[in-house]
Amino acid sequence: KNEVEQSPQNLTAQEGEFITINCSYSVGISALHWLQQHPGGGIVSLFMLSSGKKKHGRLIATINIQEKHSSLHITASHPRDSAVYICAVRRAGTASKLTFGTGTRLQVTL
Amino acid sequence: DVKVTQSSRYLVKRTGEKVFLECVQDMDHENMFWYRQDPGLGLRLIYFSYDVKMKEKGDIPEGYSVSREKKERFSLILESASTNQTSMYLCASSLRSTQETQYFGPGTRLLVL
Repeated sequence: KNEVEQSPQNLTAQEGEFITINCSYSVGISALHWLQQHPGGGIVSLFMLSSGKKKHGRLIATINIQEKHSSLHITASHPRDSAVYICAVRRAGTASKLTFGTGTRLQVTL
Repeated sequence: DVKVTQSSRYLVKRTGEKVFLECVQDMDHENMFWYRQDPGLGLRLIYFSYDVKMKEKGDIPEGYSVSREKKERFSLILESASTNQTSMYLCASSLRSTQETQYFGPGTRLLVL
C-alpha cells in the first residue's frame, strides 16, 4: 500500500463546477504539499500545509492532521485548470525528502 | 523568480551508453533533487544533495550516480543505460529550511533503445 493515496485518479468536470481532490496518508508528517503538473511536464507548487486551510485565488487546500487527510478544492473550474494534481508529504524527521501520490488527472471541459 | 533548468527536454540513447543529465538552479538553493516519474508510480526520489559534494540515496538509486561539484549544478549519471531507465526525469531545488518549497525543472524525457 502506498504511503500517499489520492482519489480520484481521473476526474472530468464541466466548466464552472466545484472540484474536490482527496489525499490520504499513512505516516506522520511535518508538511503536505499540493503540486500541479501541466502537459509537457513542468511542476509548480500550489500549497504547503502543516495545519488548517490555505486559499489562493480559486484554489483552497485543507488538512486534517488527526484524520491524515487533505483536500484540494477548485471553485468555478475552468479549462485552464486541466492538469495533473499531485499530493506529496514530508515525513516527520526526514528533513527535505518528499513522498508523492500518483496524481489526479483533471480535465475541465467547456 | 526561481529558475531550474535541465540540459535536454528529450533524449534518445542506446542500451549500454553512459548518459549525463544536467540540472542548474539560479537561486543559491542548498538542496537539489533528482526524481523519475513513471505512469501509475508517481515521482520517486533517486538521489538528493544538501550541499556541494554531499549526496544521499533516495528510494531508487540503483543504476544511477550523481555529482555536485558546484552549488548550482547537480548531475545525474546513468553509467550504462538500460531500457528500464526509460522515463521522465525531473530535477528540483529548495532552500535548506524545514518548510521549504521545491522548485522543479521542466523535465527530461529519456528513451533508451
